[in-house]
Amino acid sequence: GQQVMQIPQYQHVQEGEDFTTYCNSSTTLSNIQWYKQRPGGHPVFLIQLVKSGEVKKQKRLTFQFGEAKKNSSLHITATQTTDVGTYFCAASGGSGNTGKLIFGQGTTLQVKP
Amino acid sequence: DTAVSQTPKYLVTQMGNDKSIKCEQNLGHDTMYWYKQDSKKFLKIMFSYNNKELIINETVPNRFSPKSPDKAHLNLHINSLELGDSAVYFCASSHGTGQETQYFGPGTRLLVL
Repeated sequence: GQQVMQIPQYQHVQEGEDFTTYCNSSTTLSNIQWYKQRPGGHPVFLIQLVKSGEVKKQKRLTFQFGEAKKNSSLHITATQTTDVGTYFCAASGGSGNTGKLIFGQGTTLQVKP
Repeated sequence: DTAVSQTPKYLVTQMGNDKSIKCEQNLGHDTMYWYKQDSKKFLKIMFSYNNKELIINETVPNRFSPKSPDKAHLNLHINSLELGDSAVYFCASSHGTGQETQYFGPGTRLLVL
């Protein structure tokens, strides 16, 4: 079945440093969504990317969808302790997909104050 | 107002017992899901219902039986609980299927002893 690979699995940064997580698929995706899960919490929707090469920003967060619609990234500029949590990409579309979201393994971000 | 609610929040039980988790959404969504999140935070879809009809049934032991009495409710019954069933179970809902944004409940933390 379809798989979505997300790296890195863990990232520890000093507050103020930048952070990036990457999501890759071997098949072309219809769209990609990003979710954030705070420690002890539940996944919360952040954004959806649909168009090839799309770039969207939310304050210090920048989301990109690759030109081939097979990869995506989330970049956080100047991390803060409030950014701590696990970030998931979730993809739909591609071969073998039956209308469900396939979640990446998640990247857990720790921010040292 | 809670959009997606789950009960109970915590569940500690003995191996071999049968237990149920309930989920309700007040968003007017047509589709509801059950996910299992393991200790490594991997989110795996288990089931999905659209307007009370089962549309996704992943490779899950038949000890797990979902039930949707109406489109606002999706329950999960687990028979003969095993140690490996310990995880966080998230209910989610979306307006449509597959590519739509999903709204997650707070999760049910199940510990099987």
